[in-house]
Amino acid sequence: GNSVTQMEGPVTLSEEAFLTINCTYTATGYPSLFWYVQYPGEGLQLLLKATKADDKGSNKGFEATYRKETTSFHLEKGSVQVSDSAVYFCALNSGGSNYKLTFGKGTLLTVNP
Amino acid sequence: NAGVTQTPKFQVLKTGQSMTLQCAQDMNHNSMYWYRQDPGMGLRLIYYSASEGTTDKGEVPNGYNVSRLNKREFSLRLESAAPSQTSVYFCASKRGGLDEQFFGPGTRLTVL
Repeated sequence: GNSVTQMEGPVTLSEEAFLTINCTYTATGYPSLFWYVQYPGEGLQLLLKATKADDKGSNKGFEATYRKETTSFHLEKGSVQVSDSAVYFCALNSGGSNYKLTFGKGTLLTVNP
Repeated sequence: NAGVTQTPKFQVLKTGQSMTLQCAQDMNHNSMYWYRQDPGMGLRLIYYSASEGTTDKGEVPNGYNVSRLNKREFSLRLESAAPSQTSVYFCASKRGGLDEQFFGPGTRLTVL
């Protein structure tokens, strides 16, 4: 079956530090890959997505590249801000089982000033 | 365009009480989903509706029922609440296929 593994947190960084959150996946077929962000007390919001191999999704300074050869979709940001403090979820949709999303367990990021 | 809305935002129940969580979307999406979120567990799918008129079980359906009332609305019912159902519940919708899901703000439910 499908699965998503993302690095366990919590991750604590200082403002302007470089961020990487690792995400690897197992899936049949050719999945679409997503990063969602959840700010405290809110629902999940789509941060970025990629639908085929070598695509790069980007938004708000965050980037992730769909690497089929390593089955990875790592999230990066060059300079984090305090406002980036949130929980980040990696997810995939491979089309099986009525196109349900498979989520990783989430990574809590705290950015200190 | 409100997106996905959920009511209520907060609810406290006693063991054995029943309640219905409401979800509506105004994006003309075909598929709708109910998740629960617990610390350290990520999101777990309770039920989903791939299209109007169909519903299917997800990973953790026990103790819940759903109704896809029409294309816009998808409700989740707890017939006899238990403390193990204390959680944050999220509704989501998507247009279809490999599209992304859009999430509501959540309902925070406590069962005493």
